[in-house]
Amino acid sequence: DSGVTQTPKHLITATGQRVTLRCSPRSGDLSVYWYQQSLDQGLQFLIQYYNGEERAKGNILERFSAQQFPDLHSELNLSSLELGDSALYFCASSSGERYGYTFGSGTRLTVV
Amino acid sequence: AQKVTQAQTEISVVEKEDVTLDCVYETRDTTYYLFWYKQPPSGELVFLIRRNSFDEQNEISGRYSWNFQKSTSSFNFTITASQVVDSAVYFCALSEASTGGFKTIFGAGTRLFVKA
Repeated sequence: DSGVTQTPKHLITATGQRVTLRCSPRSGDLSVYWYQQSLDQGLQFLIQYYNGEERAKGNILERFSAQQFPDLHSELNLSSLELGDSALYFCASSSGERYGYTFGSGTRLTVV
Repeated sequence: AQKVTQAQTEISVVEKEDVTLDCVYETRDTTYYLFWYKQPPSGELVFLIRRNSFDEQNEISGRYSWNFQKSTSSFNFTITASQVVDSAVYFCALSEASTGGFKTIFGAGTRLFVKA
């Protein structure tokens, strides 16, 4: 157990639908990062939150949004889903980027 | 600009062979951090090592060793006497100072197949 909890582990949904992925960071970590990994692709940075505030944005689609709550857990909302959104979505937490990330086990999203 | 290159897309070796995974980075900063992560077939991402730019000492952890050379901007990872359980995708990452803090980018990953 890495200490970063992601739910659900698997999600199957239809095109056009909306889903929410949840992440609880490791105890003490203020930063949460979201990454997307499509089949046989590398890690694409989506967004970072630090103590409730958006800190950095990557290649996140407008259909996607995220937030970090006062208890530091974070949610990634994906709407108007398309087949191409099928991927592994990872959450990571960190006490500072210079220390590296602790990743959750990921949510495998399948859009049918 | 920040960049991490893992030129080897896939490597296949036979068990007990030694294998080196290459990582070349670009950065303008003098202070930066390098990492390796492992992603086994089960999918999770596991932190392996962190190295800061001021520490060029090589590190060995069991069958794993890392060679950091600032002169060639490389941070290579060697697995000695590889085992089937080493089969995974390995990602190299670079973290450098950026507006508002540090920014991390990942290489594209190297997929290692270790055959019995």
